[in-house]
Amino acid sequence: NAGVTQTPKFQVLKTGQSMTLQCAQDMNHNSMYWYRQDPGMGLRLIYYSASEGTTDKGEVPNGYNVSRLNKREFSLRLESAAPSQTSVYFCASSTPGLQYFGPGTRLTVT
Amino acid sequence: GEDVEQSLFLSVREGDSSVINCTYTDSSSTYLYWYKQEPGAGLQLLTYIFSNMDMKQDQRLTVLLNKKDKHLSLRIADTQTGDSAIYFCADNLNYGGSQGNLIFGKGTKLSVKP
Repeated sequence: NAGVTQTPKFQVLKTGQSMTLQCAQDMNHNSMYWYRQDPGMGLRLIYYSASEGTTDKGEVPNGYNVSRLNKREFSLRLESAAPSQTSVYFCASSTPGLQYFGPGTRLTVT
Repeated sequence: GEDVEQSLFLSVREGDSSVINCTYTDSSSTYLYWYKQEPGAGLQLLTYIFSNMDMKQDQRLTVLLNKKDKHLSLRIADTQTGDSAIYFCADNLNYGGSQGNLIFGKGTKLSVKP
């Protein structure tokens, strides 16, 4: 039982490049989330998916897109990376009342 | 919008108790949480409390909730160097049909001196 897994662990992009961050959970949870963590800012919600087939914007969705591929997988795409998107990205999944986090992806955009 | 606030730093000596405080604005909270983040790692759910409880104890951890003042605290008894980490308070907002969107405080960095 791996919980929430994320790939890659680290990534360096040049401004304007695109990439997709992958997230998978094996806990059969309906809801999944993408957050970014910046120094002094705590965690901010980018997008969430309440259930398979649905996605909604969170607090900071600009510059990102998501896909809920199936119940297990929820991906985050940066179409044209910007230095302001340098951050640590966390995926999470939840059962009612309890949210579990992946180990994170450290992304640097130069 | 709703907000969660906590102090940014706390320093204690090994063996002392640590108390990390948090205030929140959401009047309809159902669950409140404490997460721990060690350097370079993800967030680990430490403990949580349901909004109709005043206190929850789990080994060295005690959570106190004052719903009237919207104040949550986490007490760590006999603090060890391994407790050094960032501690996040979080509130369950319950919107958008999800099973719990969370709003986080900015985190309290606990430093434990030997």
